[in-house]
Amino acid sequence: SQTIHQWPATLVQPVGSPLSLECTVEGTSNPNLYWYRQAAGRGLQLLFYSVGIGQISSEVPQNLSASRPQDRQFILSSKKLLLSDSGFYLCAWSPPSLDGLRKQYFGPGTRLTVT
Amino acid sequence: KNQVEQSPQSLIILEGKNCTLQCNYTVSPFSNLRWYKQDTGRGPVSLTIMTFSENTKSNGRYTATLDADTKQSSLHITASQLSDSASYICVVTWRAGNNRKLIWGLGTSLAVNP
Repeated sequence: SQTIHQWPATLVQPVGSPLSLECTVEGTSNPNLYWYRQAAGRGLQLLFYSVGIGQISSEVPQNLSASRPQDRQFILSSKKLLLSDSGFYLCAWSPPSLDGLRKQYFGPGTRLTVT
Repeated sequence: KNQVEQSPQSLIILEGKNCTLQCNYTVSPFSNLRWYKQDTGRGPVSLTIMTFSENTKSNGRYTATLDADTKQSSLHITASQLSDSASYICVVTWRAGNNRKLIWGLGTSLAVNP
């Protein structure tokens, strides 16, 4: 069976510090991978998605970046955090698909608080 | 503008009762509509996915309906349980050619009390 892991579960970082969140998927090959952010009182916002190693698409321009160094590893980074980066970060995967009907499976999330 | 609006924003019901959550959307062109359940502090879990040709889909005590003409969907929960307490999110896929985007609603927060 497939599982998705995210760490850390919670993180408190000062403004201006760097960030690295990691997501790994087990039990599947060549998944589509996604990073979402869910701010308080707002819907999920897609940040990045990837259809393969080294292939990253950015949905929203901001001070975050993503990388996919391995097939089942997705990393969200920032060089300098802003207060507005606080939120609940969710990684998700879906089977490779062109028709958009595949389910997305979400990880447990990382609660980031920027102080 | 492509939007997904859900109502009510929050709902409190007693265990064992039924409830219906609403989702109205203005997304066009429309590809499919999904309902997710998100427990507090956890990632969303998919409940149903429906294309424009499907009117209803069930997953246990959860039944989703879709009216693509009026652009409305509902999620009906039967014989609610305490574990149904969560946020229920409606997500509509916008698709134009090879371009695809998920439009997320803000969710309905459901509390099931004993």
